Amino acid sequence: DAGVIQSPRHEVTEMGQEVTLRCKPISGHNSLFWYRQTMMRGLELLIYFNNNVPIDDSGMPEDRFSAKMPNASFSTLKIQPSEPRDSAVYFCASTSGGGLFFGSGTQLSVL
Amino acid sequence: DQQVKQNSPSLSVQEGRISILNCDYTNSMFDYFLWYKKYPAEGPTFLISISSIKDKNEDGRFTVFLNKSAKHLSLHIVPSQPGDSAVYFCAAKAVGGSQGNLIFGKGTKLSVKP
Repeated sequence: DAGVIQSPRHEVTEMGQEVTLRCKPISGHNSLFWYRQTMMRGLELLIYFNNNVPIDDSGMPEDRFSAKMPNASFSTLKIQPSEPRDSAVYFCASTSGGGLFFGSGTQLSVL
Repeated sequence: DQQVKQNSPSLSVQEGRISILNCDYTNSMFDYFLWYKKYPAEGPTFLISISSIKDKNEDGRFTVFLNKSAKHLSLHIVPSQPGDSAVYFCAAKAVGGSQGNLIFGKGTKLSVKP
C-alpha cells in the first residue's frame, strides 16, 4: 500500500487566493483526519470524517476553511481566501480503528 | 490552553546514552497515550503507546512510563542512536474518543550526537 497520499507537497500562493489541498487515505480506512502543524501550536486537529461523514469540525479555524470527502478515497481541504497566518504544514491521516497513519503533508506558504 | 504539554522544545543527547522525553497533560479523561516520531519532510509515524490502566510499556529500546497521579508520561530511549534524531510528539485520546481524534503536544526535537 502506498500509504496516505497528499498533494501538492508544497504550495506557495498569494494572500486572497483559493488553496485546495488533497488527500487519498489508505484503502480500507474508514476515518480521515486533517491536522495543521505550526511552531506556535504544534499539531492541531482541524476536522475528521467517519465513513465520509464529517463528525467534528470544531477545530476548523473559521469559515474560510472547508473540507469535503465525496467518497472513501478522496478528501479536500479548501481555504478561501487564504491569509499569511494560514501558512503551516497540513497533514492528512487515516485509520481503520487501529493506528493513525499520516501522509507526508503539504507545506503551505501564503505570501 | 494546551491539554498536552511538552515543555522542552529540544533535547540533545550523546549516542549510547539515555534520552528522556517528557509530557504532561491536564485532562483526567484521557485514557490512552501515544508517542509519534517525525522526520523532516515526512508525516508523524506511530512509535509506542500506553493505556491508562498500565504504568509502563516497553518495545525494544523504547519505554513509555505513565504516572497518572502526576498526569505525566515520559519516553525513554536506551541506548540512543543518531537515527533517533527527530521530533517526538506526545498525544492523548479521551475516553470514548475516536482512535484518531488525538490531542498532540507541540513536540520535542531530539538530537543524538555521534
